[in-house]
Amino acid sequence: AQTVTQSQPEMSVQEAETVTLSCTYDTSESNYYLFWYKQPPSRQMILVIRQEAYKQQNATENRFSVNFQKAAKSFSLKISDSQLGDTAMYFCAFRGRETSGSRLTFGEGTQLTVNP
Amino acid sequence: ETGVTQSPTHLIKTRGQQVTLRCSSQSGHNTVSWYQQALGQGPQFIFQYYREEENGRGNFPPRFSGLQFPNYSSELNVNALELDDSALYLCASSLAGGGRYNYGYTFGSGTRLTVV
Repeated sequence: AQTVTQSQPEMSVQEAETVTLSCTYDTSESNYYLFWYKQPPSRQMILVIRQEAYKQQNATENRFSVNFQKAAKSFSLKISDSQLGDTAMYFCAFRGRETSGSRLTFGEGTQLTVNP
Repeated sequence: ETGVTQSPTHLIKTRGQQVTLRCSSQSGHNTVSWYQQALGQGPQFIFQYYREEENGRGNFPPRFSGLQFPNYSSELNVNALELDDSALYLCASSLAGGGRYNYGYTFGSGTRLTVV
């Protein structure tokens, strides 16, 4: 079974600064996807960024980038130029391609607060 | 393109009762997954429906059941409600076919169920 661990329950950052959220996972699969989702107070899960395990290049989406270390099973999210609208709960998620179908395994989440 | 719609948004039930939650999938999607998110935790996979059949199940008892209809909408039914069933229930739709799953999940805003 896969597990996803987020060791930072809460983090805060000043507006315009950079923050990094940590995520580690455990799996025996070699081919999988990793995701970061954002959940604002509206409760809807919004995809921030995704990474395919077979791709060595780290994914980037505008101000969001990841540091994917496959051997270490680490998948951190860096948010640059933080904005007030980035305040939300952030979840790291795993989806295997071999055994788990399309189910997502989520971490416990990190509450990020961006301060003005 | 319509998103995922869940109803109702909030619900209060008494222990021992039964509840039905509904989800309309995004246009073009044929797979629906349900997740339970307890307060302060990450979502937990309940089950997934593809072509009107259950296609993967998490660690939930049989009193959690579901349906998928020909238009790909879905229902989650929970019998004999327990206090621990109080949670946010999220529905996510995606596109699958030919043995592959598109990782473009779209989540709804969830149904907040309170069992008293």
